[in-house]
Amino acid sequence: DAGVTQSPTHLIKTRGQQVTLRCSPKSGHDTVSWYQQALGQGPQFIFQYYEEEERQRGNFPDRFSGHQFPNYSSELNVNALLLGDSALYLCASSAFGVTTNEKLFFGSGTQLSVL
Amino acid sequence: RKEVEQDPGPFNVPEGATVAFNCTYSNSASQSFFWYRQDCRKEPKLLMSVYSSGNEDGRFTAQLNRASQYISLLIRDSKLSDSATYLCVVMGAGNNNDMRFGAGTRLTVKP
Repeated sequence: DAGVTQSPTHLIKTRGQQVTLRCSPKSGHDTVSWYQQALGQGPQFIFQYYEEEERQRGNFPDRFSGHQFPNYSSELNVNALLLGDSALYLCASSAFGVTTNEKLFFGSGTQLSVL
Repeated sequence: RKEVEQDPGPFNVPEGATVAFNCTYSNSASQSFFWYRQDCRKEPKLLMSVYSSGNEDGRFTAQLNRASQYISLLIRDSKLSDSATYLCVVMGAGNNNDMRFGAGTRLTVKP
């Protein structure tokens, strides 16, 4: 049973470009949350998807958008990349309605570098 | 003010030492509290949940003070393998998994 998988593991882009990151949740999970972790900082909540809709959003600009597919996998899109978007992007999956943290699983992340 | 604030660290301690990390949170409606461990360039992994009555897991003890909106983690008899960044995490109420992380405290245990 695969856990949360993210792709790619590493990515290098230049300013102004667009990027798409992908996440497949753990089997049986239907909710995907995305986090941005800058170097030396804790993960910051970007948004959460459930039933193919954005349910909650953190303090991130509209350049950050997402999508969830019928198979529960998700994409994170970032437009007009800035140098400050360089970070580790983490995906976490869970089963909706489950509030115990033991049921939240993280992927190993995508390291995005913007040059 | 940040939603979750932690000791800035870093903490450099010898093996066998006892070390304590502190964390405060701003949202009094927060319902669930956790400590996560994150190794360099890896994903965060749950270390332990934090309950109002306090809880212990081997060498690790977590405490919660809701009135002061304060969380702590105590590590006794530090091991080299405890070297990592420790993240304080606060979660809201309701059916969501929106977790708010502190910036983390880096711990290095030396021989």
